[in-house]
Amino acid sequence: GENVEQHPSTLSVQEGDSAVIKCTYSDSASNYFPWYKQELGKRPQLIIDIRSNVGEKKDQRIAVTLNKTAKHFSLHITETQPEDSAVYFCAARDTGGFKTIFGAGTRLFVKA
Amino acid sequence: DAGVIQSPRHEVTEMGQEVTLRCKPISGHNSLFWYRQTMMRGLELLIYFNNNVPIDDSGMPEDRFSAKMPNASFSTLKIQPSEPRDSAVYFCASSRQGAAGELFFGEGSRLTVL
Repeated sequence: GENVEQHPSTLSVQEGDSAVIKCTYSDSASNYFPWYKQELGKRPQLIIDIRSNVGEKKDQRIAVTLNKTAKHFSLHITETQPEDSAVYFCAARDTGGFKTIFGAGTRLFVKA
Repeated sequence: DAGVIQSPRHEVTEMGQEVTLRCKPISGHNSLFWYRQTMMRGLELLIYFNNNVPIDDSGMPEDRFSAKMPNASFSTLKIQPSEPRDSAVYFCASSRQGAAGELFFGEGSRLTVL
């Protein structure tokens, strides 16, 4: 089955700096890669996603890149703000369209 | 839309007791997922349903865990008997099959087994 690895587990940046979180997946048949943000005590919520036919996608301060050959995908947050502090999860979904497997999460701290 | 609704939000029980967690998916969503979240293991997929039918329960940790979806608007996750290591936050999520694939999570049920 699919396995998703995520690094780093913890990331601390200064406000205004960029943050990068990297993930790898094992199943070459996976075709959908969402990113979820979970604030303390809250539910995970989708912030951005990318499909396998696209190499990069951007939404304001966040962007995702996908390298299908290497089975790598990354989340980039620019101009970080204290409210970006949260746990971020990458995930991969199989081609059947059902099973979404999550990485272990990255706890991001943005210091003011 | 009320979103995915889970109950109870918090449950404290003693080892050996039966626990039932409930979920109402978003109307019109035909896929439903149960995840368990712990610090050690992150977000684990336990089981998922499509059109009320269990598709894959390979993530269910033991026979003590069972899940049902009797109709499109209701699902339960039952643990019997419960053990301290079952303590976790259990999330239910729903999505539309074949659509963007976004999972909409409920607020979770925090279970503590003493």
